[in-house]
Amino acid sequence: AQSVTQLDSQVPVFEEAPVELRCNYSSSVSVYLFWYVQYPNQGLQLLLKYLSGSTLVKGINGFEAEFNKSQTSFHLRKPSVHISDTAEYFCAVSDDYKLSFGAGTTVTVRA
Amino acid sequence: EAGVAQSPRYKIIEKRQSVAFWCNPISGHATLYWYQQILGQGPKLLIQFQNNGVVDDSQLPKDRFSAERLKGVDSTLKIQPAKLEDSAVYLCASSLGIAGTDTQYFGPGTRLTVL
Repeated sequence: AQSVTQLDSQVPVFEEAPVELRCNYSSSVSVYLFWYVQYPNQGLQLLLKYLSGSTLVKGINGFEAEFNKSQTSFHLRKPSVHISDTAEYFCAVSDDYKLSFGAGTTVTVRA
Repeated sequence: EAGVAQSPRYKIIEKRQSVAFWCNPISGHATLYWYQQILGQGPKLLIQFQNNGVVDDSQLPKDRFSAERLKGVDSTLKIQPAKLEDSAVYLCASSLGIAGTDTQYFGPGTRLTVL
C-alpha cells in the first residue's frame, strides 16, 4: 500500500513571500503524484499532477512541483503567495486505481 | 459543466440514529468514490464504484456503513447506527475512468456531527 508523509502540518507565510510544502511518499513501483487544494468549506481541487516525463510540473495559480524519484519526494512551491492562497494542501499518491492522501498542510498567508 | 453535487451540506444527529448522504457525479463519469475526512486528517477512501459495481470497499465499516450506486449514476451512503467517531466530512468524487492517472473531481462534502 502507498503512503504519503507531509512533513509540515502548518506553514505561516507573509504575502508575496515564497512557500514550499514538502511531501514524501513510499513506493516500490511506479506511482502517480498529485497535489490538491482545499479552501474553507469546499471540496478538493486539483492543483497539478505528475504522471511521467518532465520532473518539473506546472499547475494552476502559479504553483509548481518537482518529482524526485531518488528521494521519493514531490515538493510543491510557489514563488510569491497571495492572501487567497490560504487553504489546506494535500499531497496524494496513486497506484493502479487507488488514491492515498497525506494528512495535509495548512497554509496561512498574512499581509 | 456541472460539478459533483452533494446533499445535504450539513447534518447533525444523535448517536445511534441513522443518516444518508446523496451524491450526483459529473455526467459521463464512470467511477464514483466516497471518502471520509476526519478533522486534521487527509481523506480516506471508503468505497469506490465503477458504473454500478464495487471496485474497492476494503475500508468501509460494513457493520454500520452501506452504499449503493443505482443505475451507475447517483449514489447514496448510509450510516446506521451512527457513532460519535463518525463525525467527519464525507466527500464524494468522480472520475472518467478507473486508472490511477485519472483526475478525481470532488464535491463540496457533507459535514456530519454526531452528538
